[in-house]
Amino acid sequence: DVKVTQSSRYLVKRTGEKVFLECVQDMDHENMFWYRQDPGLGLRLIYFSYDVKMKEKGDIPEGYSVSREKKERFSLILESASTNQTSMYLCASSLYQDNEQFFGPGTRLTVL
Amino acid sequence: AQKITQTQPGMFVQEKEAVTLDCTYDTSDQSYGLFWYKQPSSGEMIFLIYQGSYDEQNATEGRYSLNFQKARKSANLVISASQLGDSAMYFCAMRERSNFGNEKLTFGTGTRLTIIP
Repeated sequence: DVKVTQSSRYLVKRTGEKVFLECVQDMDHENMFWYRQDPGLGLRLIYFSYDVKMKEKGDIPEGYSVSREKKERFSLILESASTNQTSMYLCASSLYQDNEQFFGPGTRLTVL
Repeated sequence: AQKITQTQPGMFVQEKEAVTLDCTYDTSDQSYGLFWYKQPSSGEMIFLIYQGSYDEQNATEGRYSLNFQKARKSANLVISASQLGDSAMYFCAMRERSNFGNEKLTFGTGTRLTIIP
């Protein structure tokens, strides 16, 4: 079974802090994705990566950056957290770009 | 403009009845795919079913089937014989190409389904 893990289930940070969200998959998938989920808005794509060191902006990349130094790990970085980045963050991976995506359990981030 | 539209924010259905969750999409691509995911209260996203734009038959997976009407750009999820465990949030998503030619998913806003005993 594919396993996608995220470093924390719950995270509380202060405004202005630098925040790292980590995602690891164990099935040698090429593609990894970061979404945020907000009530009434569904899932929105922040960034995705289709190969090591390769990335592409999603629909809402402002205020975020990403890093993929190894195939199994995809990090989401909030350079200076703001209260409007309080959300549920979901990581996903897929073998090929047109395959179904497998999701991690999510990180609920609160920025105070 | 919304690319994936789910018009039912919430639905209540009696146990054992069939339920249809609506999804309409907007794309000018010839090649695309539609996915349905389930998100129980525990939060994990579970893949349910997939339909490719060139697939001639409607996709089925156990109690799940996808009513794909290409001309109407709709891809409704049908759950037969609903169970209490089907209570969850359901998301429709479309695979489409990004500006750089990579594939990505665009999700709808979801439908919260509640099964009543």
